[in-house]
Formats: sequence, structure tokens, C-alpha cells
Amino acid sequence: NAGVTQTPKFRILKIGQSMTLQCTQDMNHNYMYWYRQDPGMGLKLIYYSVGAGITDKGEVPNGYNVSRSTTEDFPLRLELAAPSQTSVYFCASAQGVGNEQFFGPGTRLTVL
Amino acid sequence: AQKVTQAQTEISVVEKEDVTLDCVYETRDTTYYLFWYKQPPSGELVFLIRRNSFDEQNEISGRYSWNFQKSTSSFNFTITASQVVDSAVYFCARSYYGGSQGNLIFGKGTKLSVKP
Repeated sequence: NAGVTQTPKFRILKIGQSMTLQCTQDMNHNYMYWYRQDPGMGLKLIYYSVGAGITDKGEVPNGYNVSRSTTEDFPLRLELAAPSQTSVYFCASAQGVGNEQFFGPGTRLTVL
Repeated sequence: AQKVTQAQTEISVVEKEDVTLDCVYETRDTTYYLFWYKQPPSGELVFLIRRNSFDEQNEISGRYSWNFQKSTSSFNFTITASQVVDSAVYFCARSYYGGSQGNLIFGKGTKLSVKP
């Protein structure tokens, strides 16, 4: 099993550009999450999904959008990149509430 | 917001020393889960342990042990006979049980450096 995969691993964007961070899991988990990690900080929740077709905002959703058309995929969209979105982005999945979350390897995004 | 506090930003020890990483959490929930994750220099997040709020039994797994005390809202992590490979950032987290999301609230992490 691959677990949780994320692409790309690294990306540099110019201010105002758009991009989609891909996340796929092969564990048939209903719960999926997007976090961002800023230097010296813990992870903060951007968006989450409790199943296909259901998404909701987390703590820091501004500037991002998500969709969940399948159980496996949970892409994160940045529409107008800003320097404040420079961060490492982690996707995670879990079998249910209270279960451990399995994390992808992360995407390091720099916006210049 | 109900915070998770890891007061120790950085700890440096010499190999074979024991080290304890502190974690204090805030909660109004009666049902919640606590977690520890390890983030080595390579950057991935590795799950270490999960505890639910009804189980205060301490746990030992090899050189790792965890002390959960509801009375003080603490969930501390001890590494016995530390090794260089233990060098990493360690995160304590709590599941947010408001609604049914299960998302985690993380502390800011403690960076552990183990020197040979």
C-alpha cells in the first residue's frame, strides 16, 4: 500500500498564480484533511472532508478551496497565490474520528 | 480555541540520557484523544501513540513511555536511553471533538537534539 501520496513535492509559484496540490490515499478512509505547517509552528487545519461530496473549513481556509469527488482524492486549490501561503502542506487521512491520522510526505510551496 | 501547549521549544541531550517532553492540553470535552507524532529531519510525520480520555493507564513501548494525567491535563512523553536517531521534532496533538470532524489540534512541537 502506498498510504497517502502527495504531488508535487516542491513548487515555486509567482504571486497571483494558481495551482492544485494533489492528495490520494489508498486505505479507503472516509476522513481526509489538509494542514499547513509554518516554520517553528505546529500544523493548522485548512480544510477537511468526512466523505465524498462533503467538505468543510478548518482554522485557516482563506485563499484555498477543496473538492472531494471520490473517497481516494482530496485536492487543495490555491487560486491567487500570496507570499503568506509559503508553507509546507500536509494531507492526511483517517479511518474515523479519534483514529490516528496518516500523513503524506508533504508539499513544500514557496510563493515569490 | 482549546490549545495544546508544548512549553519546551528545544531540548538538547547527550546520547543515553533520559528525556521527557511535556504536553499540556485544554479541553471542555469529556471524550477526546491525544496523540504524539515525530517529525524527523526528513520532514514526514510519523505516528507514535494514541490515547483516549478514558484510559489513563501509562504505556511503555520499548524505550518510549507516556504518562497521561487527566487531573493536570498532561500527556508527557519520555525517551529512555536516548539515541541520535531520536533527534526530531515531536508534536503533541489532541483531537477536536466538536462535531464529528476528528481533526487534530497540534502543539508547536519540541525539537529534540541528541548528541553522540
